[in-house]
Formats: sequence, C-alpha cells, structure tokens
Amino acid sequence: AQTVTQSQPEMSVQEAETVTLSCTYDTSENNYYLFWYKQPPSRQMILVIRQEAYKQQNATENRFSVNFQKAAKSFSLKISDSQLGDTAMYFCAFMIGNTGNQFYFGTGTSLTVIP
Amino acid sequence: GAVVSQHPSWVICKSGTSVKIECRSLDFQATTMFWYRQFPKQSLMLMATSNEGSKATYEQGVEKDKFLINHASLTLSTLTVTSAHPEDSSFYICSARRSEVYGYTFGSGTRLTVV
Repeated sequence: AQTVTQSQPEMSVQEAETVTLSCTYDTSENNYYLFWYKQPPSRQMILVIRQEAYKQQNATENRFSVNFQKAAKSFSLKISDSQLGDTAMYFCAFMIGNTGNQFYFGTGTSLTVIP
Repeated sequence: GAVVSQHPSWVICKSGTSVKIECRSLDFQATTMFWYRQFPKQSLMLMATSNEGSKATYEQGVEKDKFLINHASLTLSTLTVTSAHPEDSSFYICSARRSEVYGYTFGSGTRLTVV
C-alpha cells in the first residue's frame, strides 16, 4: 500500500523568512513521482514543484526547493523569502509511474505567512 | 498550456434533484480524468477514474449509481450527482492527466450545496 504523511497540520512563518514543510511516504515501487501542490483560498490546485524518483538532484523552482531523500522516503518543501501570497494549504502527493491511475495525497499543511 | 475548465464553479440545488458538473481539458487531450471530493480543511479524496469511451472506475465506498460519470470525448468528462441530498454538499474537483511527468492539471472546483 502507498501512503503519504504530512505531520504538520498547521505552520506559520514571518514574511521574508524561510519555512520547511515535511512529507514522508511509503511505497515499494521504484518508479514514481512526487509533487507539491498549493491550494490557496480560491481552492484552485496549483502545482508548485515535482520530482522524479530516479533523479538524485533536488528539484528547484525559484523560491521553492525540495529535499528529496529517497532512502528515507522523505520529500520536504522549502519556501525561501516567504510572501503573503504563499499562504495556502500545501499537499504532498505521490504518483506511481507507468500506471496513470494512482495518485496519493497527504493530509495537507496549512501555511500562514505573517506580515 | 494544460488548462482544465470546470463548470459550474458553484451550484445550489434542492434535495432530490440532479446536478451535472463538467470538466473540460481545453488545450490537450485527456484519455483519463479524475474526480475528487474535498471536505473543508481536508485532503482530496479520489472518487473515480474516468476513462474515455469506457466505464468509470469507482473507488471503494463511492456509490456509482449516485455519482454518474461519463467521459464521452477526449476533452470532456461529466459528473452527475443524482437525487442529491444535503450530505452530498461538498467541493468537487476534477483533474486531467496531462502526462506522466507533469502529473495532473486540476479544474478550479465546484462547490455543491444541497438544500
């Protein structure tokens, strides 16, 4: 069975500071993808960053970067220079490759950026 | 690119009536679309996988006769909530699989309120 765990239901960070959201997962698969999605108050799901499991290099997208530890099955998201617009729910997600079907979400972390 | 349009964004209906929600991929073809349900401050729960030209695959516990899914073309999937009851009130989100690497693109969601 595949599971995704986000152990921080709520977090806050001062504007311009850095925050790290944690995510762990469990799987016996070798070919998979990991994602972080952002859901602001508008409820629109927005892709923040993705990581292919076969790539050792951590993905980065501007202020967003991940720390992917495959052996530990850990996939944390670091947000640098936090902005008010980063306030949202953040979901860690896992997808098995080559199936096109199973996509597992964590329970989410509510992040508040404080001015 | 990779836009998914979901309509309507919100709907209020009376108990016992049926409501249809549309999910369209605007600039790509999606042989597979997915329907999720999200309760307030909770994660997304996969309801069913919609495959173009074939029957949908429902997750355990989801009533296929209540939540009718039709995927008649490569760009359109519909979810019909039949004989709606107040407990069906929720936020419904569709997504389309763009590619294995890019994962899913999500619609903007539909807030259904049954009175």
